Amino acid sequence: AQSVTQPDIHITVSEGASLELRCNYSYGATPYLFWYVQSPGQGLQLLLKYFSGDTLVQGIKGFEAEFKRSQSSFNLRKPSVHWSDAAEYFCAVGVYSTNEKLTFGTGTRLTIIP
Amino acid sequence: DGGITQSPKYLFRKEGQNVTLSCEQNLNHDAMYWYRQDPGQGLRLIYYSQIVNDFQKGDIAEGYSVSREKKESFPLTVTSAQKNPTAFYLCASSAQTNTEAFFGQGTRLTVV
Repeated sequence: AQSVTQPDIHITVSEGASLELRCNYSYGATPYLFWYVQSPGQGLQLLLKYFSGDTLVQGIKGFEAEFKRSQSSFNLRKPSVHWSDAAEYFCAVGVYSTNEKLTFGTGTRLTIIP
Repeated sequence: DGGITQSPKYLFRKEGQNVTLSCEQNLNHDAMYWYRQDPGQGLRLIYYSQIVNDFQKGDIAEGYSVSREKKESFPLTVTSAQKNPTAFYLCASSAQTNTEAFFGQGTRLTVV
């Protein structure tokens, strides 16, 4: 079965600084990969997804992520964070078989300081 | 607009009572899910359904029940057997189980 790890429980960055959130997955073949964002008391919103093709994917709100097969990673990046980016971020992995459901990481909470 | 609607947003119940959380989608998705979220614990899958009239237990199904009589609806009942029901509940749907899931806004259940 596939698994996904988000090693950082909580990250604090200054407004305007760059951001990288880590996500590592375990799966034998090429996975489907997703990043979601959750504001407090809200549902999850899809930021971006990778199915195949270009390994650098662009998402909403200025986020991007890069799929690195050799490192089994799909890290989320943003060049300059805004206070409104403070939220919980979840990485998820899906597999080719349509019988397998998505597996979510445990999340990374992002705090932005002035 | 297409989307997933969970209702109500906040729900209060007395201990020992069953309560049903509503989830409706108009995305024509086959798969639907229920997750529970507790502070600092991420998402835990309660039940999921890949097609109408079929559903599967997730990781924490004890004390919960679901039905999938219609494609667009997947209600979750929190029974009195659930020992710690106070939590934030999220419903989601997807075209297939391995593609991106779309989430509702959640229901915060408080049992007193």
